[in-house]
This record gives sequence, C-alpha cells and structure tokens, in this order.
Amino acid sequence: KAGVTQTPRYLIKTRGQQVTLSCSPISGHRSVSWYQQTPGQGLQFLFEYFSETQRNKGNFPGRFSGRQFSNSRSEMNVSTLELGDSALYLCASSLGSHGYTFGSGTRLTVV
Amino acid sequence: TQLLEQSPQFLSIQEGENLTVYCNSSSVFSSLQWYRQEPGEGPVLLVTVVTGGEVKKLKRLTFQFGDARKDSSLHITAAQPGDTGLYLCAGSPEGEGAQKLVFGQGTRLTINP
Repeated sequence: KAGVTQTPRYLIKTRGQQVTLSCSPISGHRSVSWYQQTPGQGLQFLFEYFSETQRNKGNFPGRFSGRQFSNSRSEMNVSTLELGDSALYLCASSLGSHGYTFGSGTRLTVV
Repeated sequence: TQLLEQSPQFLSIQEGENLTVYCNSSSVFSSLQWYRQEPGEGPVLLVTVVTGGEVKKLKRLTFQFGDARKDSSLHITAAQPGDTGLYLCAGSPEGEGAQKLVFGQGTRLTINP
C-alpha cells in the first residue's frame, strides 16, 4: 500500500516568487491536511481538505492557499515568498480523525 | 490559542534507563496522539488516545491520557539506541474539529549505547 507522496522533495525559490507543492494521499483517504514545520515554531497547522472542501484553516496569511481535487490529491500554493517561509511542508492524510499518515515533506528554501 | 507544552525538550540517557516525556495543556482535547519523527522524514503515528484515563502500551512504550483530557505522558522502559528520535505529542482541540492538530514542540531523545 503506497504511502503519502509529496513532490518535490526539495525546492529552492527566490523571494517574491510563488510555489506549488503537491500531495497524493493514501488511496481511499479523503482528508488531506497541510503543516509547516520550522525549528522555531515546530509543526503548525495550515489547512485541511475533505472531498474538495476546506474544513479548517490555521492562522497563516492569505498568501498560503490550497485546494483538493476530485481524486483527493491536494496542492498548496504560497505566493510572494518571504525568507520566513523556508520550512519543511508536510502533508498528512487520514480516513478518520484519530490518526494521520504523513508524507516525507517538501523542504522549501527561500533565498 | 490551544498550546501543548512538552517536556523535557532534550533528553540524553544511557541504554537501559527508563524515561518519561510529558505533554501538558490548559485546554481539553478530544483525542491526543504521539508521533515519532526521524531526520528528513515526516512524523510517524505511534498511538492515539481518546478516553480520559486511558492507558495504551506498545511494547516498551506506555502512553497515558489524563483524566481531564488536558495532558498525556509517554513512558519508555529500558530505552534502546533505536528509540532515539524526535517525539511529538499532538491533540485535537475539543470543539474545533478533529481535523486540526495542535503539536507540542517535541522532545529530542538520544539513547547512548
């Protein structure tokens, strides 16, 4: 059974650019969540999608957005990148509410 | 803002010793999970506890959810070098929807041979 797949694994972008990250959940999982992990703030919730609808959103600026497709795959987009956006972005999928399977993450570096 | 405070942040002990990691909050959580994360990888779920006072065991690891569902602990017996890693507690705040997880800052555990 394939796990949660995130692409790309590594990304280097310049300040002001935008970036799109992709997440393919475990087959059959309809809930996809996104988290940002930094050394200073730890893991912080970005948003969660279920059946193409955003059900919950964390406290991040509007530059951070996401969407989910009918096949449950999800993308998140960050526009007008700032140096502080450098982080490990993690995607997690779930069948229910009591256990999430995380991908290996996308390491984004903004220079 | 629901916060989960984990302690200690760093722990380095010798193989064979016991240890306990704590996860505390002033908020109530509908469920609490423990994860372990290796460098360069995403967190891996170890256990989920949902009932106040619940105790779950996973080999040498014992997890407990506080009676009031505001705190949890992870106890490792006879630690081994393979237990080395970052341990994270995460909770679903009651009333906010189970989809949002609040994470503790993590405990970086090192077991020395």
